[in-house]
Amino acid sequence: GQQLNQSPQSMFIQEGEDVSMNCTSSSIFNTWLWYKQEPGEGPVLLIALYKAGELTSNGRLTAQFGITRKDSFLNISASIPSDVGIYFCAGRRNNNDMRFGAGTRLTVKP
Amino acid sequence: GAVVSQHPSRVICKSGTSVKIECRSLDFQATTMFWYRQFPKKSLMLMATSNEGSKATYEQGVEKDKFLINHASLTLSTLTVTSAHPEDSSFYICSAHGTSGPTDTQYFGPGTRLTVL
Repeated sequence: GQQLNQSPQSMFIQEGEDVSMNCTSSSIFNTWLWYKQEPGEGPVLLIALYKAGELTSNGRLTAQFGITRKDSFLNISASIPSDVGIYFCAGRRNNNDMRFGAGTRLTVKP
Repeated sequence: GAVVSQHPSRVICKSGTSVKIECRSLDFQATTMFWYRQFPKKSLMLMATSNEGSKATYEQGVEKDKFLINHASLTLSTLTVTSAHPEDSSFYICSAHGTSGPTDTQYFGPGTRLTVL
């Protein structure tokens, strides 16, 4: 079952604002991943984190792998309308064991 | 790189028929492929994990005789929904795990929307 707690469930923000979402777990993961899914499409990998404490950026996106290995956050700076979608975190222990958060639905108002 | 395709993207079928969905890793070899099901506004639910050349491992509650998975090569896995019923209508997504390097993570296909009438 789902073991990741992702929050917030949804966000309604104004274009230009920064966004922050996070995932926590009671279990340790070896890898944290952040995906974005748009309606009718599969999730697209945004950022992959492989080491505790790792901070990685991809354009306006920044994600960190928590020191305890039980959490991760994703920040989006200066949001734009095309950031709209559902963002999923995923924690992976080994190749065959990956768990997903429930998703954060982001709406950006122009 | 790391592109995963699915075919068909959308299928509508009559109740009782079987539907096959293909998942291909186009530019890398996938030792492991995963099949997920997603209901509207919900997260992805893992159905099964398949390794090339071996039987798939199904998650609890997923009927292996209803959802047949074949992983015949390092670039192709198929999911067959047998004797489909309206409750099988859903968005099915596959993902592929690469063997090494930059593909050492899961990449998802674009999904297949199944509607059973």
